[in-house]
Amino acid sequence: NAGVMQNPRHLVRRRGQEARLRCSPMKGHSHVYWYRQLPEEGLKFMVYLQKENIIDESGMPKERFSAEFPKEGPSILRIQQVVRGDSAAYFCASSPPAGGTDTQYFGPGTRLTVL
Amino acid sequence: LAKTTQPISMDSYEGQEVNITCSHNNIATNDYITWYQQFPSQGPRFIIQGYKTKVTNEVASLFIPADRKSSTLSLPRVSLSDTAVYYCLVGDPFRNSGGYQKVTFGTGTKLQVIP
Repeated sequence: NAGVMQNPRHLVRRRGQEARLRCSPMKGHSHVYWYRQLPEEGLKFMVYLQKENIIDESGMPKERFSAEFPKEGPSILRIQQVVRGDSAAYFCASSPPAGGTDTQYFGPGTRLTVL
Repeated sequence: LAKTTQPISMDSYEGQEVNITCSHNNIATNDYITWYQQFPSQGPRFIIQGYKTKVTNEVASLFIPADRKSSTLSLPRVSLSDTAVYYCLVGDPFRNSGGYQKVTFGTGTKLQVIP
């Protein structure tokens, strides 16, 4: 059973470009979480999604950031018009459907560098 | 969400037992305590989860006193490969009770194992 997959692992963008980060949850998992980690800091919650639904996006910046988890395909975290302050590691986690503990399994992360 | 407090860093020699304590004075009745481990350039990895008293698995033990206002992660006989950041999280892991682990990881405890 493959773990949580994220791609790309490293992404370099120039200011003003768009960044698209992909996350494929573990098989059988229908809940996805996105986190952002700045250097020397802990992970900060951004958004929680179920298939085709955004459940909680209270941690997402109000502008330029969006997330989706379509019926088919991976979850996408999209950052428009990136700025240097968006440089960080972005982690995705997944968990099984309701009915059990919500232990989250994390992917390896995508390191975004904005030049 | 209950806030947690951990030491920023700890050093230990190889082969010693390491105990990392986390304070969570405002823990709620439904909250569980979960510990994650994060190596550099990787996503956090679930270590152990517990509600009260003691939980043990092949990796670690978790000690929780009766008042549940703190918890201690115990790593037996650490090796160099245990050098990592350890995060303590508190939350209701059962989504069918309305909770989910919308968490913000603190800065964690940076454990350095010395040869």
